[in-house]
Amino acid sequence: AQSVTQPDIHITVSEGASLELRCNYSYGATPYLFWYVQSPGQGLQLLLKYFSGDTLVQGIKGFEAEFKRSQSSFNLRKPSVHWSDAAEYFCAVGARSWGKLQFGAGTQVVVTP
Amino acid sequence: GAVVSQHPSRVICKSGTSVKIECRSLDFQATTMFWYRQFPKQSLMLMATSNEGSKATYEQGVEKDKFLINHASLTLSTLTVTSAHPEDSSFYICSAGDSGAAQETQYFGPGTRLLVL
Repeated sequence: AQSVTQPDIHITVSEGASLELRCNYSYGATPYLFWYVQSPGQGLQLLLKYFSGDTLVQGIKGFEAEFKRSQSSFNLRKPSVHWSDAAEYFCAVGARSWGKLQFGAGTQVVVTP
Repeated sequence: GAVVSQHPSRVICKSGTSVKIECRSLDFQATTMFWYRQFPKQSLMLMATSNEGSKATYEQGVEKDKFLINHASLTLSTLTVTSAHPEDSSFYICSAGDSGAAQETQYFGPGTRLLVL
């Protein structure tokens, strides 16, 4: 069965500190993996995606993610968070670069001064 | 990048009425669009796949007679919540893929918040 797990429901981080959001997936075929960010009351913005090639993917807003096949993980990182990074982050998996996606439960990130 | 719009952004209606939500791809053609529902503090759940010129494909557990989808053109899909009830109150988000782009990419609309009283 396909599934996406984001173990952390809520993360609080100080501004300027590093951030890592965890994502584990279970997928029958080779998956496309995505990270989206959602600000309150807004739609989704794509941060980055991965299908093949270099397992370290660079995205927008200074985010990066690393695909680890052996761990079925696709964790999102940012070296130094800004107050504007406070939002909900969703990991998602799909069968191709676009199409229907299965989303994780999301991780709420709170940034403190 | 490409833009997907939704209208209205927010709607309040009485129980028993029907509500239509539009999803438009503004600068590209989308043969396929997707409708998601997001309850407060929860993730997005795919409701259906909207196919231009043909019937929508609904996910298991989604009532097709309650959530009517019409994809009449390559830039417009509509979701009609028929006989809405308070439990239908949710955030509805559509997405569309730009298959004509050099690198296929999916774009999400800003969402429509539905409140049924």
